[in-house]
Amino acid sequence: QKEVEQDPGPLSVPEGAIVSLNCTYSNSAFQYFMWYRQYSRKGPELLMYTYSSGNKEDGRFTAQVDKSSKYISLFIRDSQPSDSATYLCAMSAKGNNRLAFGKGNQVVVIP
Amino acid sequence: DTAVSQTPKYLVTQMGNDKSIKCEQNLGHDTMYWYKQDSKKFLKIMFSYNNKELIINETVPNRFSPKSPDKAHLNLHINSLELGDSAVYFCASSQQGVNSPLHFGNGTRLTVT
Repeated sequence: QKEVEQDPGPLSVPEGAIVSLNCTYSNSAFQYFMWYRQYSRKGPELLMYTYSSGNKEDGRFTAQVDKSSKYISLFIRDSQPSDSATYLCAMSAKGNNRLAFGKGNQVVVIP
Repeated sequence: DTAVSQTPKYLVTQMGNDKSIKCEQNLGHDTMYWYKQDSKKFLKIMFSYNNKELIINETVPNRFSPKSPDKAHLNLHINSLELGDSAVYFCASSQQGVNSPLHFGNGTRLTVT
């Protein structure tokens, strides 16, 4: 079993729809959870950063962490064409030097 | 003001050549990284330096050699380039290790012919 599983998509949604992305993981020691957004021919940029379980909201973006199920989610409300990108989940354990990335999920928002 | 900048942006070269990629960060971060992203967008860690000291050295051919002259710079030298080295190489930095968010450069697209 891979350490982090993420369905690569692609996921196509109409403008204004809610986008739902998720990752599952196997390492119960993970405590730091991140979502990165990567536009074509650009580097990944941090979108959301969460420590431990719970929800975090930032504008149209909501990140959820369920440590009991080893499952994290990213929701994008009122999706825009500018949200079209690849979204990568990433996570790490305290004191560990390695960041485990998912494979990335390509999202296309159709105007 | 680019936070993490890497040069060159594109690199096209022939098999067997030696090439270098440079990276600089102006964020005052302690930790810097090199990642390789393949055609399927999977990001794979290659090296990590903390305050000029090597802390991660993944299973990477020894044709790849990182060098960190100071904590703001991390360069990557590649000897005897092979076709399979074609990928996008990203430099990144973080304040202190991977528990703090990584800031990525925009990548160097390496094509080996």
